[in-house]
Amino acid sequence: NAGVTQTPKFRVLKTGQSMTLLCAQDMNHEYMYWYRQDPGMGLRLIHYSVGEGTTAKGEVPDGYNVSRLKKQNFLLGLESAAPSQTSVYFCASSLREKLFFGSGTQLSVL
Amino acid sequence: DQQVKQNSPSLSVQEGRISILNCDYTNSMFDYFLWYKKYPAEGPTFLISISSIKDKNEDGRFTVFLNKSAKHLSLHIVPSQPGDSAVYFCAARRAAGTASKLTFGTGTRLQVTL
Repeated sequence: NAGVTQTPKFRVLKTGQSMTLLCAQDMNHEYMYWYRQDPGMGLRLIHYSVGEGTTAKGEVPDGYNVSRLKKQNFLLGLESAAPSQTSVYFCASSLREKLFFGSGTQLSVL
Repeated sequence: DQQVKQNSPSLSVQEGRISILNCDYTNSMFDYFLWYKKYPAEGPTFLISISSIKDKNEDGRFTVFLNKSAKHLSLHIVPSQPGDSAVYFCAARRAAGTASKLTFGTGTRLQVTL
């Protein structure tokens, strides 16, 4: 019973490097989301998708790109990482109001 | 602009007593409210929710109260158990579109002591 799976769990990058975070869900949900969690800030929405082939900006989209080529996968890309992108990243999926979250990716940008 | 506020960063309660976690919001367009629980190194997990057309929802030891006029909701846990120790996030959904884009509060860390 996997639910929402995120890879990798941890990553350290140098400023300017790029990387992709992968999110996979096995619940056949239409909607998928990427959030970041920072101390004292709660969770903030980066990008989301309402279905395969669609993406939209959330609250804090700058510096990130996303793709939803398959319904079950939602990728978050950082083209040129900055220290301000050090955070914990959570992927989620939903059928309606209730979001199901993955276990998170701890990203440090040095 | 923090539209969903949890003004208490932490709360300590004795086992068996009631825990009350509070949340305030500013956007009157929010139509659905949720509470999530988060353990360290895990993702948030859904706990309980309430629609804006209701003022109370109960699920076992957990009850959520909504006061629309005051733009305030609270989560009551009775009785509190050590396993309830976690960070609790309040979240709200704006009634627009089809995706459930939730706005989260900053969280309250609950510690239930023996």
